[in-house]
Amino acid sequence: DTGVSQNPRHKITKRGQNVTFRCDPISEHNRLYWYRQTLGQGPEFLTYFQNEAQLEKSRLLSDRFSAERPKGSFSTLEIQRTEQGDSAMYLCASSPVVNEQFFGPGTRLTVL
Amino acid sequence: GDSVTQMEGPVTLSEEAFLTINCTYTATGYPSLFWYVQYPGEGLQLLLKATKADDKGSNKGFEATYRKETTSFHLEKGSVQVSDSAVYFCALSDTGSARQLTFGSGTQLTVLP
Repeated sequence: DTGVSQNPRHKITKRGQNVTFRCDPISEHNRLYWYRQTLGQGPEFLTYFQNEAQLEKSRLLSDRFSAERPKGSFSTLEIQRTEQGDSAMYLCASSPVVNEQFFGPGTRLTVL
Repeated sequence: GDSVTQMEGPVTLSEEAFLTINCTYTATGYPSLFWYVQYPGEGLQLLLKATKADDKGSNKGFEATYRKETTSFHLEKGSVQVSDSAVYFCALSDTGSARQLTFGSGTQLTVLP
């Protein structure tokens, strides 16, 4: 399967712990996006990479959130000192060109 | 900022019924418009798109026309099937360099046999 993959698929953590999610985009897609989706809502944009450069960050991305994309390949999203409000589905999408984003299955985070 | 407003759900139809899911948007410039579908237990999939006014996107019997004058992109299908049961999201991408997507809140469609 050459689609976007995300790991882990599910993560349960206690409030205050740090978590890290990984996204492997479709090979050679230079654009990579992170979104967050809460129950009953559409996804909300978090951040955007073009190759290894993080070019856009949403105001939703508090200073507890950090994302990287070393070497322009896979990406990681880390949340420090998790809060219950961080519970959501975290989606990654990659794109070879504008107007064509391919989404991964998401990582569901539950903060207890 | 940009926003998308979708018809509230859930929507329940009988097989072979006509489907319309309304979507309107607010944006500066000339965004591209999309419909994504999320089947149970699966990730978001692009259903169709339109990149300029009066364009019609179509796929799998679904259609939507980019109406700039009414800022709308309503999704239609002439005859729905049980397999169309899913959550449908209307979205737009801005005209900035990132082209991130702004989504509506989604409409749950259930088709009964």
